[in-house]
Amino acid sequence: DAKTTQPPSMDCAEGRAANLPCNHSTISGNEYVYWYRQIHSQGPQYIIHGLKNNETNEMASLIITEDRKSSTLILPHATLRDTAVYYCIVRVAIPGSARQLTFGSGTQLTVLP
Amino acid sequence: GAGVSQSPSNKVTEKGKDVELRCDPISGHTALYWYRQSLGQGLEFLIYFQGNSAPDKSGLPSDRFSAERTGGSVSTLTIQRTQQEDSAVYLCASSLGSLSQRDTQYFGPGTRLTVL
Repeated sequence: DAKTTQPPSMDCAEGRAANLPCNHSTISGNEYVYWYRQIHSQGPQYIIHGLKNNETNEMASLIITEDRKSSTLILPHATLRDTAVYYCIVRVAIPGSARQLTFGSGTQLTVLP
Repeated sequence: GAGVSQSPSNKVTEKGKDVELRCDPISGHTALYWYRQSLGQGLEFLIYFQGNSAPDKSGLPSDRFSAERTGGSVSTLTIQRTQQEDSAVYLCASSLGSLSQRDTQYFGPGTRLTVL
């Protein structure tokens, strides 16, 4: 799986959009970009994933650059409950196979009141 | 719908005792993973079950650790003769596995194990 680089920490004001960047310059064509988060003392929570098109769900939006070497997770209206460590993962999706996740250091997002 | 559940949420045990941790995956998910996470650390893969195939045990740290999955659903992780270094949060995740190309994993809340 391709290596990812994320800033160690970010702050965001409550109610504003939180934009979390991720670099994955060695990504290959069959690798997806996944985002998970982990709120303190809880299990990791799936947020969103994408291949090359931008994706949106009820939690967030994922913007992937045209060259796929970087992406941004957008929480449109951050709340205090969004304070968590956010992990960007790049991994191959192999039909008929399932593989374990490996989290890097992630970005500690702190939403400030 | 119901997510992944784990029990107990917290377990305190004495060194040398055996413990059993339980995971109930999402209904219909054929793949089940066990991970552990020590304080401030990342995920450490332990074991993976996919349907009726032989489990991938490559992440188990020692032969004191074992896991089984009965009937393709509930799984139990057993740690024998617990040591203090076994203290961690044990996380279970499930996914559609081979039923899905993208294999999104959904995690339970974890069991916090403390070995005194």
